[in-house]
Amino acid sequence: GQLVQSGAVVERPGASVKVSCKASGYNFTLYYLHWVRQAPGQGLEWMGVINPISRAANYAQRFQNRLTVTRDASTSTFYMALNSLTSDDTAMYYCASVLMTSDIWGQGTLVSVSS
Amino acid sequence: DIVLTQSPVTLSLSPGDSATLSCRASQSVYNYFAWYQKKPGQAPRLLIYDASNRATGIPARFSGSGSGTDFTLTISSLEPEDFAVYYCQHRNNWPPMYGFGQGTKLEVK
Repeated sequence: GQLVQSGAVVERPGASVKVSCKASGYNFTLYYLHWVRQAPGQGLEWMGVINPISRAANYAQRFQNRLTVTRDASTSTFYMALNSLTSDDTAMYYCASVLMTSDIWGQGTLVSVSS
Repeated sequence: DIVLTQSPVTLSLSPGDSATLSCRASQSVYNYFAWYQKKPGQAPRLLIYDASNRATGIPARFSGSGSGTDFTLTISSLEPEDFAVYYCQHRNNWPPMYGFGQGTKLEVK
């Protein structure tokens, strides 16, 4: 199985970004889909997760007010939307499907926030 | 929120050495715990899940132990490709809420 993410983007401070993550080759409905980011020179940061069947989402507390994780009802595509961007949001963003004994990760999407 | 504290921050060893990395949780996470390896330009790689189970395809030189609040990742006989940054992760499944430690950099001495 694999997860394929959308391409790199550059956004202005205060703008919003939406990153897609398309699942294929495995039964993605069985496993939660997570979003993780890594800012330059920083560690991994867990952002949130979605149940692909109920589409219920949970978010890390620091992202509660500006992160939305969704799944397209008719396709195997997930989305991560982050608003009110600042330079601190410049990072590589990953989607990941946590299976029983392994993970599947997307290739990452670089989001740069710059004026 | 659960806070994971990893030690040491940096570990300098030579190929063939054994590495011991630690992670302490601010409250019990039972065995809902994982270890990841991260190399530049690559996605994270799951090494250990449920505190002590090797993920699919992970070599036997990687082992995990611990439960509750204290966890250890041991890498016996380091290979050149093992030098990377290692992260611990707690996995609360209901409601689903995960988190990472700050990482331990394993570097060549």
